[in-house]
Amino acid sequence: DVKVTQSSRYLVKRTGEKVFLECVQDMDHENMFWYRQDPGLGLRLIYFSYDVKMKEKGDIPEGYSVSREKKERFSLILESASTNQTSMYLCASSLPGRGNEQFFGPGTRLTVL
Amino acid sequence: QKEVEQNSGPLSVPEGAIASLNCTYSDRVSQSFFWYRQYSGKSPELIMSIYSNGDKEDGRFTAQLNKASQYVSLLIRDSQPSDSATYLCAVTGNQFYFGTGTSLTVIP
Repeated sequence: DVKVTQSSRYLVKRTGEKVFLECVQDMDHENMFWYRQDPGLGLRLIYFSYDVKMKEKGDIPEGYSVSREKKERFSLILESASTNQTSMYLCASSLPGRGNEQFFGPGTRLTVL
Repeated sequence: QKEVEQNSGPLSVPEGAIASLNCTYSDRVSQSFFWYRQYSGKSPELIMSIYSNGDKEDGRFTAQLNKASQYVSLLIRDSQPSDSATYLCAVTGNQFYFGTGTSLTVIP
């Protein structure tokens, strides 16, 4: 079974802090994704990566950056957290290609005070 | 127009009934279609995938795809209270698109 893990289930940070969200998958998937999910807005793609050292912007990249130094690990960075970044953050991974199903981690509920 | 549209619901059905969830998409070149189930406070879990026109059955779940009409549906037979969740439709075109989900409540 695909296993996608995220570093924290719940996280509370203060405005202006730098926040790191870590995601690790153990199925040797090339593709990895970061989403945020808010009530009424559904899943919105922040960044994705199709290979190590490679990243592409999704629909809402502003205020975020990512890092993929190893195939299994994809990190989301909030350079200076703001209250409007309070959300559920979901990491996903998939096999290569654009048509393959994505498998999700458990999510991180981030609250920025 | 959104890439993927779902009726947000909520949809309520009695236990044992058939629940029908619908999804339409805008990109005619979409090739792969998925249904995810998401319990409150949890992450989405893949339950069905379908790639060609027609029906695909897996236990109590049936996915139906009609590419000409650009819709995909999910039928849940013999609905159980444990099926109460939000169901997300996902479609791949140039990228992976998710609908905003339909909330389903199965009433005992």
